Amino acid sequence: AQSVTQLDSQVPVFEEAPVELRCNYSSSVSVYLFWYVQYPNQGLQLLLKYLSGSTLVKGINGFEAEFNKSQTSFHLRKPSVHISDTAEYFCAVSDPSNYQLIWGAGTKLIIKP
Amino acid sequence: KAGVTQTPRYLIKTRGQQVTLSCSPISGHRSVSWYQQTPGQGLQFLFEYFSETQRNKGNFPGRFSGRQFSNSRSEMNVSTLELGDSALYLCASSPGTSGSGETQYFGPGTRLLVL
Repeated sequence: AQSVTQLDSQVPVFEEAPVELRCNYSSSVSVYLFWYVQYPNQGLQLLLKYLSGSTLVKGINGFEAEFNKSQTSFHLRKPSVHISDTAEYFCAVSDPSNYQLIWGAGTKLIIKP
Repeated sequence: KAGVTQTPRYLIKTRGQQVTLSCSPISGHRSVSWYQQTPGQGLQFLFEYFSETQRNKGNFPGRFSGRQFSNSRSEMNVSTLELGDSALYLCASSPGTSGSGETQYFGPGTRLLVL
């Protein structure tokens, strides 16, 4: 069974500093990869996704992620964070043959002023 | 387009009762998925419906069930509630016709507290 590991439960970072949120998945077969964001007391919103093609994926709000097949990773990055980026970030993977998303445990991004 | 709506937003029940949650997808979307979110277990997939048929199912006991109507609205039901069923229940919709790479659009969730 597939699994997703988000190595950090919390990442504190100063405002305007760069950030990387790490995500590793277990499957070696083709998968689709997603990053979703959950702002306080809200549902989830898609940041970006990788289906195929270029391994560098750009998303909303200045975020980007790089798919690395050999390391089975899909780390999320932003060059300069803002206080409004305070949220919980979830990495997810799906098998192309079904609609089931498998989720990581989430990483809380804490922005320090 | 209106987003995904879920009703009710908050619910308090006691052990042994049953509960029904409702989800209205984005207009035109035919796939509705349900997820349970808890601090301990994180986000877990419950089931997915497409055109009134359950297409995928997660690893939850039979107390958790769902259905989808012809207008794509979906309900999930939990019978014989247990304390551990306290969670945020999220519904997500997508067109449902382009495979699992589709973006899922989430509602705000229903927060269920079981006492």
